[in-house]
Amino acid sequence: EVQLLESGGGLVQPGGSLRLSCAASGFTFTTYSMAWVRQAPGKGLQWVSGISAGGNNAFYADSMKGHFTISRDNAKNTLYLQMNSLRAEDTAIYYCTKGLGTSVSGIEYWGQGTLVTVSP
Amino acid sequence: QSVLTQPPSASGTPGQRVTISCSGSSSNIESYYGYWYQQLPGTAPKLLIYKNDQRPSGVPDRFSGSKSGTSASLAISDLRSEDEGDYYCATWDDSLRGVLFGGGTKVTVL
Repeated sequence: EVQLLESGGGLVQPGGSLRLSCAASGFTFTTYSMAWVRQAPGKGLQWVSGISAGGNNAFYADSMKGHFTISRDNAKNTLYLQMNSLRAEDTAIYYCTKGLGTSVSGIEYWGQGTLVTVSP
Repeated sequence: QSVLTQPPSASGTPGQRVTISCSGSSSNIESYYGYWYQQLPGTAPKLLIYKNDQRPSGVPDRFSGSKSGTSASLAISDLRSEDEGDYYCATWDDSLRGVLFGGGTKVTVL
């Protein structure tokens, strides 16, 4: 059974940083792309960033470039999202997701999400 | 323009068929596979349709997907109360070099 367990969310002040982690299990982590998708309170889904299976290709939504960094440790079956210079509009549930193949494209599985709140 | 447009809401009575559209452009839907996700209240999204018209195991055949040109569609037949929730289309976008989600459609069973 595929499991994606996010951690690292919480309350942070504007301008602060957080690093989200996602522990993956139940599948061969090294052969699937991964991504982060967020959902602001009462809003729709917004793709944040994706990374290929080998970790050599990373993609970001325009508003996240230079602001967030995605990475993965294939030895630890873990996905990360480093978030810097956080703003109120970054407040959202952040979902860790598993892709359908090695390249970043469709999403097959979703974690339960971790809440990030940016507030003074 | 890199946008996937969905109607904000759709509704039907139990047993009816509801269709949700997802309108895009040549840089996204027309060139890449479409995906559909279901998000029931208070839960994480779940894959409903992949590669335009494929259902993952466990998804009832009441749900079906299609694509034509720059648009994709999700049909829910034999509508049930447990289908109430939000539905999102998604695909890759060449201009954005990223995944694009539609704004979501809230399905209500009357």
